[in-house]
Amino acid sequence: EAQVTQNPRYLITVTGKKLTVTCSQNMNHEYMSWYRQDPGLGLRQIYYSMNVEVTDKGDVPEGYKVSRKEKRNFPLILESPSPNQTSLYFCASSLSLGLALSEQFFGPGTRLTVL
Amino acid sequence: AQKVTQAQTEISVVEKEDVTLDCVYETRDTTYYLFWYKQPPSGELVFLIRRNSFDEQNEISGRYSWNFQKSTSSFNFTITASQVVDSAVYFCALSEVNTGNQFYFGTGTSLTVIP
Repeated sequence: EAQVTQNPRYLITVTGKKLTVTCSQNMNHEYMSWYRQDPGLGLRQIYYSMNVEVTDKGDVPEGYKVSRKEKRNFPLILESPSPNQTSLYFCASSLSLGLALSEQFFGPGTRLTVL
Repeated sequence: AQKVTQAQTEISVVEKEDVTLDCVYETRDTTYYLFWYKQPPSGELVFLIRRNSFDEQNEISGRYSWNFQKSTSSFNFTITASQVVDSAVYFCALSEVNTGNQFYFGTGTSLTVIP
């Protein structure tokens, strides 16, 4: 089944404790992206990657890191989480069609709480 | 400035009524894509439509229709004969091709269909 998987689905942690949220897709998509969803703010893009070893900042990259060493994986790293990073996080992937993209397929989301 | 504006935060309609969700976007790119996604109460993000900037034809898919007007930078979504299952948050999004396919989502419109 074609899908985007994220782990963990739920995470409660404390300020300053490094964490990684994994994202993996099995559709051979070139483009992958991370978003955070907060009430009243919609989805905001954190980082995106057009292909392996290529990453770009989205609208809200501060406090996050990503890497794209393999096409299928795009982990999101919070080196020193803070309470303002409490949010619902979505990973997504899409196929590159030349310069354009197909629709994005989203993972199920990761609910992160930072105390 | 917000690149994608969904001015309607919440809408309630009675079942079988028609409802239009507004989306206004802002871009200087000549090549861009517009999307609509649905997020039902279960939380997943479901793709509805993708439209490129060169195709202003309206599209109809069952009870759903989309009206794209470049002159007013709008990409509105109409649900005809609404049903309870249409209750969800709907997001409009913009992707600019020539600036690297960064995605911009609106803040969403929460639609409640009352039986």
